[in-house]
Amino acid sequence: GAGVSQSPSNKVTEKGKDVELRCDPISGHTALYWYRQSLGQGLEFLIYFQGNSAPDKSGLPSDRFSAERTGGSVSTLTIQRTQQEDSAVYLCASSLGDTAGWSYTFGSGTRLTVV
Amino acid sequence: AQKVTQAQTEISVVEKEDVTLDCVYETRDTTYYLFWYKQPPSGELVFLIRRNSFDEQNEISGRYSWNFQKSTSSFNFTITASQVVDSAVYFCALSGTNTGNQFYFGTGTSLTVIP
Repeated sequence: GAGVSQSPSNKVTEKGKDVELRCDPISGHTALYWYRQSLGQGLEFLIYFQGNSAPDKSGLPSDRFSAERTGGSVSTLTIQRTQQEDSAVYLCASSLGDTAGWSYTFGSGTRLTVV
Repeated sequence: AQKVTQAQTEISVVEKEDVTLDCVYETRDTTYYLFWYKQPPSGELVFLIRRNSFDEQNEISGRYSWNFQKSTSSFNFTITASQVVDSAVYFCALSGTNTGNQFYFGTGTSLTVIP
């Protein structure tokens, strides 16, 4: 597609429920990244998919968080047993290359609210 | 370790004033890249500029200019004759060759331009 597409744009869920956030990167972009932005905070790295290599999961805050990327394209970030502290905007980005220096193109984000 | 510091949390200026946003970085990589992104109220981060560590030339693009100084590990961003549309959160980011293309973001500077 023309840009990075994320869905849903907004999600309200009850504490304890599981949620799935979707990211559709720009076609041909080999690298895909998930970041989290809490209210008034900077961007917190979560996970990074680079080509066919194993993903870098070092930023995932707990084992309730997982992500996959199917066929080198669409990615899904899953949060199990959501907690109120998971409320944030989840941003996905992609880049044409996966070596240092490639700029990211960001999606509009999914605003997750856990009530 | 990679680190980006944006010491200015919030800045307010009156329209037509010049404003400089500071960015200081830390890295042990000899080859690295620096970026600025703009996040307007709509939320989507927009790429502004990339600079590699071997190119210390300052860059000007319209009302925007960037000053990269390796001696002080800084990559500052100046907006000349600010406009209301410049109101946004601005993020500085770093990627180094030893960490793939993972970005390390500063905490952002929120700029408000008052008409």
